[in-house]
Amino acid sequence: DTGVSQNPRHKITKRGQNVTFRCDPISEHNRLYWYRQTLGQGPEFLTYFQNEAQLEKSRLLSDRFSAERPKGSFSTLEIQRTEQGDSAMYLCASSLKPDSGGENIQYFGAGTRLSVL
Amino acid sequence: AQTVTQSQPEMSVQEAETVTLSCTYDTSESDYYLFWYKQPPSRQMILVIRQEAYKQQNATENRFSVNFQKAAKSFSLKISDSQLGDAAMYFCAYIARWGGGKLIFGQGTELSVKP
Repeated sequence: DTGVSQNPRHKITKRGQNVTFRCDPISEHNRLYWYRQTLGQGPEFLTYFQNEAQLEKSRLLSDRFSAERPKGSFSTLEIQRTEQGDSAMYLCASSLKPDSGGENIQYFGAGTRLSVL
Repeated sequence: AQTVTQSQPEMSVQEAETVTLSCTYDTSESDYYLFWYKQPPSRQMILVIRQEAYKQQNATENRFSVNFQKAAKSFSLKISDSQLGDAAMYFCAYIARWGGGKLIFGQGTELSVKP
């Protein structure tokens, strides 16, 4: 078990550019989550998938954000036309579905730090 | 809406001493889970301890224990015999058992451990 993997670890981009982050969950986990964390704050929920279905999206996820999880394995989070306010740590987590004996525990990756200049 | 509040932005403890981090939450749900996560400077969030709301017994994990007061909606974390490696940001988090997948986090408490 290699844990949740996120790439890249750091991304620096210019305002207006598009960026894409990747998350590889723990292999047997059917749920995958994205959170955003700004400096000195707790993570804020963005969206989550169960297998390939996106089941919930936060109002924080503006039209410029899109997430996918094709085939229910890895997930990508794309931000179009980045703004300076998008600078944050983007965290991915995965878990088993609660009634699969998952105990509702989410395991986190190390995150992708985005800096928009 | 559910909320989680950590009123101590920073705490400090002497090595080998005991420290308690506070957390309160608000929910209308009766079945939920509460967590304490640790986020060291390397930034990867690690689960410290988990409490199921329907269990009255407080959870313990080695040097970490919680004081869960359901009626008061309070969930504090006690760290005994503090070690230098305990220095980190600690987040209290809530999730409804059947409310989807959203973890709701508090603002965090930064714990420093003095040698």
